Amino acid sequence: DGGITQSPKYLFRKEGQNVTLSCEQNLNHDAMYWYRQDPGQGLRLIYYSQIVNDFQKGDIAEGYSVSREKKESFPLTVTSAQKNPTAFYLCASSTTYEQFFGPGTRLTVL
Amino acid sequence: DQQVKQNSPSLSVQEGRISILNCDYTNSMFDYFLWYKKYPAEGPTFLISISSIKDKNEDGRFTVFLNKSAKHLSLHIVPSQPGDSAVYFCAATNLQGAQKLVFGQGTRLTINP
Repeated sequence: DGGITQSPKYLFRKEGQNVTLSCEQNLNHDAMYWYRQDPGQGLRLIYYSQIVNDFQKGDIAEGYSVSREKKESFPLTVTSAQKNPTAFYLCASSTTYEQFFGPGTRLTVL
Repeated sequence: DQQVKQNSPSLSVQEGRISILNCDYTNSMFDYFLWYKKYPAEGPTFLISISSIKDKNEDGRFTVFLNKSAKHLSLHIVPSQPGDSAVYFCAATNLQGAQKLVFGQGTRLTINP
């Protein structure tokens, strides 16, 4: 089955620790995206990549980093510089403008 | 600045009636619009889209209307069913630009039996 997987579903980390969220797709999509969802704020774009080995900052990139070494994978690292990391993180991919989303990772920083 | 706005955080509709979800945008460069549906703790799923060259697009029970002069779009669901209870996001983009979507804040739709 083609789709997008994000792991883990729930993640807990202590304040000050970096954490990496996984996103894998087997849809053969060129573009991949990371969003953050907070209550009442919709989806905000963190980073996106339109091609392997290239990525751009979205609207709220501070405190986050990404890599795109393979077409199928777009991991997101939440660094200790991110002031409010507790949120629901969504990964998406696309070939055109219709984006397909993964199931999300709920990150809680204690 | 919020370029895509959904001013109603929530909407409650009786089963079988029409649900109308609204979305406004400010960026006149947007020329393609999408609606997504999201259940709790899941990723959004694509519902329907519309290009700025059209003013209406239908897909089964879902119809999206676009009023370019008012920079307003709406999603109509007829008839509403209990499974339609979810959060609905509208999104917008410019087809000539990068493949990025700008999302609204979402409207939580509750269908009452």
